[in-house]
Amino acid sequence: SAVISQKPSRDICQRGTSLTIQCQVDSQVTMMFWYRQQPGQSLTLIATANQGSEATYESGFVIDKFPISRPNLTFSTLTVSNMSPEDSSIYLCSVEGGSLGYGATDTQYFGPGTRLTVL
Amino acid sequence: QKEVEQNSGPLSVPEGAIASLNCTYSDRGSQSFFWYRQYSGKSPELIMSIYSNGDKEDGRFTAQLNKASQYVSLLIRDSQPSDSATYLCAVNTRYIPTFGRGTSLIVHP
Repeated sequence: SAVISQKPSRDICQRGTSLTIQCQVDSQVTMMFWYRQQPGQSLTLIATANQGSEATYESGFVIDKFPISRPNLTFSTLTVSNMSPEDSSIYLCSVEGGSLGYGATDTQYFGPGTRLTVL
Repeated sequence: QKEVEQNSGPLSVPEGAIASLNCTYSDRGSQSFFWYRQYSGKSPELIMSIYSNGDKEDGRFTAQLNKASQYVSLLIRDSQPSDSATYLCAVNTRYIPTFGRGTSLIVHP
């Protein structure tokens, strides 16, 4: 099965700074997804990242706050900009099962997550 | 606003019992339904998918779907302490899922 890795696994950051999270998949995939999971809350989709085009953001999320790069079919980054304590969360990247070749198109396979704490 | 509702729990069951987890959703156009398991400190992992009304069994897990009632459930038979986790219900109306907040399950010896 495909391996999805994220870096860093956790970080503690100061208010006003930015953090870039990396997601690497060991196979080529068309779409990559970025989620946020705040304490006690559901997984919330931030944006969908397609290689070669601008990311598609969900309602409530904007590119200036969460810029995303997708330079190739195996890699994506999410930046959390000008952070505040409200950005403390787990950030997860995911890919569709269908693009991995062994899951259904509408299933999600997640990376291990990045636990972010903003002081 | 598409919503997926779950009782946050915790649901506590003794080892060997049947655990029943429930989920309701608001969008009648939903086509695909999933259960993910999330251990503490880990990312969610897919355990069941169901697309049509009725039951779908996979080992000790049974997913049940009732589209008329907009209701999805997950039964875990012969519950084990290793089943202790948060179970997330997810519903697709586009190509991506909307997740519930999850139900915490505790299986005690």
